[in-house]
Amino acid sequence: AQTVTQSQPEMSVQEAETVTLSCTYDTSESNYYLFWYKQPPSRQMILVIRQEAYKQQNATENRFSVNFQKAAKSFSLKISDSQLGDTAMYFCAFTPFNNAGNMLTFGGGTRLMVKP
Amino acid sequence: GEEVAQTPKHLVRGEGQKAKLYCAPIKGHSYVFWYQQVLKNEFKFLISFQNENVFDETGMPKERFSAKCLPNSPCSLEIQATKLEDSAVYFCASIRGIFSIANSPLHFGNGTRLTVT
Repeated sequence: AQTVTQSQPEMSVQEAETVTLSCTYDTSESNYYLFWYKQPPSRQMILVIRQEAYKQQNATENRFSVNFQKAAKSFSLKISDSQLGDTAMYFCAFTPFNNAGNMLTFGGGTRLMVKP
Repeated sequence: GEEVAQTPKHLVRGEGQKAKLYCAPIKGHSYVFWYQQVLKNEFKFLISFQNENVFDETGMPKERFSAKCLPNSPCSLEIQATKLEDSAVYFCASIRGIFSIANSPLHFGNGTRLTVT
């Protein structure tokens, strides 16, 4: 079974600054995908960024980037130039490449507040 | 349609009443997943379908919860005799194929907030 842990229940950052959200996971799988989802107050689940475990290069999407450390089973999200619209819950999630019957295992979430 | 449609947005039930939630996956998507997000924000997997067949039901409570995905109908999640602890947001998500996640994300609906009073 897989577990995903987000050790920071809440974080805050000043607008335009950089913040890093932590995520660790535990799995015996060798091939898998990792995701960060954003959930604003509207409840919509928005995919922020995706990382394939077999790729060594860290994924980036505009202001969002990850630090993927496979040996340490760590997958942190860095948000650069934070904007007020980044205020949301952020969920780290895992899915194995094979047998995706439950598709995603989520961490407990980190509430991010961007302050003006 | 191009989005996962969940109805209703909000549902209020008295304890002991039945609740039924609906999900229309994106056309062409063969897999449907139900998740329960409780008030502490944790997501719990409930059940998944491959077309009309149950794919994985390891998260479904044995009693009171049932789900179906029938051809040409929205998928449904039904809770018999609701309890206070069933209060949560229930999300449905769909994807074209199990290995599609390499190329496209899991598409989530906007959820149904169930309040049991």
